[in-house]
Formats: sequence, structure tokens, C-alpha cells
Amino acid sequence: EDQVTQSPEALRLQEGESSSLNCSYTVSGLRGLFWYRQDPGKGPEFLFTLYSAGEEKEKERLKATLTKKESFLHITAPKPEDSATYLCAVGGRTFGNEKLTFGTGTRLTIIP
Amino acid sequence: DTEVTQTPKHLVMGMTNKKSLKCEQHMGHRAMYWYKQKAKKPPELMFVYSYEKLSINESVPSRFSPECPNSSLLNLHLHALQPEDSALYLCASSGPLRQPGELFFGEGSRLTVL
Repeated sequence: EDQVTQSPEALRLQEGESSSLNCSYTVSGLRGLFWYRQDPGKGPEFLFTLYSAGEEKEKERLKATLTKKESFLHITAPKPEDSATYLCAVGGRTFGNEKLTFGTGTRLTIIP
Repeated sequence: DTEVTQTPKHLVMGMTNKKSLKCEQHMGHRAMYWYKQKAKKPPELMFVYSYEKLSINESVPSRFSPECPNSSLLNLHLHALQPEDSALYLCASSGPLRQPGELFFGEGSRLTVL
């Protein structure tokens, strides 16, 4: 059974203070690792897909990286609007059978 | 149009009621999903429809009954629910031209069972 563990559970940063969120996973064979952002009372919003160790993806102030055992979401010079819960998931690569297993998330708060 | 629309946004029902949650997308996606999310917990997969056929049922109790009338619509019929079924129910869709794992989620229907 796939397992995903995220740390820390919550993180408070000052605006502009860079940091990283961690996602550790245990799977029988990694098909894909996905990062989502979820705002309170909303559905998750897709950010990145990573498939193989060494892969990196970037979007604005966010950069996701992948090793054989974990993924990091680096946030550089964050702004208050980056405050959200960031969810990591592992799952399938076969369209129509994406059984994503989500971690419990990191609740990020950026203080102005 | 990159939206998944869910109705109603809020629903309160008694344990003997029958109600339905509805989900609609017009992105041409051919896979649609129901997830359940409790407070401060991750989303948990319930059902997946692929090309209007049920492809995954995560051993969900029969008091939840999914239906996919066509490629744009997904329903979740609710009957004889328990208070512990209170949660945010999220619908999502994905398309073959998108990356695997790239799901588009709606804002959810918040269900309270009294």
C-alpha cells in the first residue's frame, strides 16, 4: 500500500523567508509524484508532476524536486498569497485510473 | 473554461433522507472522480469513472451510489447516511491530453448529516 508522509504539519514564515516542505513516500513502484495546493474551503489545485529522481519543476516562487525516497517543495521569497495547504500525492500514470494517495499536507502561513 | 462545478455547495440532511450531489465539467475530460475529505485530513478517493464506466470503487458503502449519465456529468446519490459521513465531497476530472495525476477539482459540496 502506498504511503505518503509530509512534514512539517504547519509552517509559519515571514514574507520573503525561503524554506522547504518535505514529502516522503513508500510505494511498490513510483508511477508519479504530484504536488497540489489547497486553499481553505476549496478543492486542491494541481501544481506539479514529477516522475523520476533528479527531476525538477518550477512555477513562480515554487520549485519541486524528487529523489528516490522523497520530494521537496522549495518556496523562495514567499508572499502572503502563497499561504495555503500544500498536498503531496503519489499515484498512477494510466489515464482514467489515477488512484492518487495524498499526504496530510503542510499548512503554510506567510506573515506580511 | 477550466472549471468543475459542484452543486449544492452546502447540504444538510437527516439520516433517512435521500439527496444527490452533482458535478459538471465542460473541458472534454473523460475521467471523473469523487473524493471525500474530512477536516484537516487529505482527500480520499471514493470512485473513478473512465469513459462513463465505473473503473474504481474504493470499497465505498452502498449508501453512496455514483452515476455518470454522460461524459460531462457525475452524480453521487446519498441515502441513509450516518453522521460520520459528514465531510467535504470533492469532484474532479482529468483528460487524456493532460498529465497523469493532473486532476481539476471543484470547490466541493459540504455535507452535514444530522
